Amino acid sequence: QSALTQPASVSGSPGQSITISCTGTSSDVGSYNLVSWYQQHPGKAPKLMIYEVSKRPSGVSNRFSGSKSGNTASLTISGLQAEDEADYYCYSYAGNSTWVFGGGTELTVL
Amino acid sequence: QVQLVQSGAEVKKPGASVKVSCKASGYTFTNYYMHWVRQAPGQGLEWMGIINPSGGSTNYPQNFQGRVTMTRDSSTSTVYMELSSLRSEDTAVYYCARVGGGSYLDYWGQGTLVTVSS
Repeated sequence: QSALTQPASVSGSPGQSITISCTGTSSDVGSYNLVSWYQQHPGKAPKLMIYEVSKRPSGVSNRFSGSKSGNTASLTISGLQAEDEADYYCYSYAGNSTWVFGGGTELTVL
Repeated sequence: QVQLVQSGAEVKKPGASVKVSCKASGYTFTNYYMHWVRQAPGQGLEWMGIINPSGGSTNYPQNFQGRVTMTRDSSTSTVYMELSSLRSEDTAVYYCARVGGGSYLDYWGQGTLVTVSS
């Protein structure tokens, strides 16, 4: 299966909001509410930020939110902070016990 | 607390195989599936497959079928990922990650760097 499509990079100033899109197909993102988002700082393991499209794990700031429309899922970070600068990946169930990641988005806080 | 501790870095020659371990603790090992994910230098995350620690069933994406084997040892709460016929493009950090709630990766190992070089 092909990787989900994310913008290579996004940027924003502290305090602003940004949105990262994750576009799949009707076979993955469009068919299941099983999209999760991960934050990865350099040299570190990924960290779960959002699961099942819009749910936030305990301990994750409420500045992070997720949504989905059709074949596209989105991660929004509001009140951008310097510590949010990282790579972000979406991840979706694709049916038949298979899974697929997005290509990743580098977030720069200006 | 949940912990996934992986084996150390490996250096392999092209054509060889590598076996990476991931020891789980802090939860009931057989209750949670495990994924393996890799990340080549400067690249994104790539899903390599899933194993059910309870029965040992596995599923791999097409691009890894025939080259990857995932196994588990319930007596030591350890899952293994073996990749064969290594080539330079397999140089990457390999992660194990626990599947929480059936769909998301809630805990990750620290990663194991595998370098393939002649």
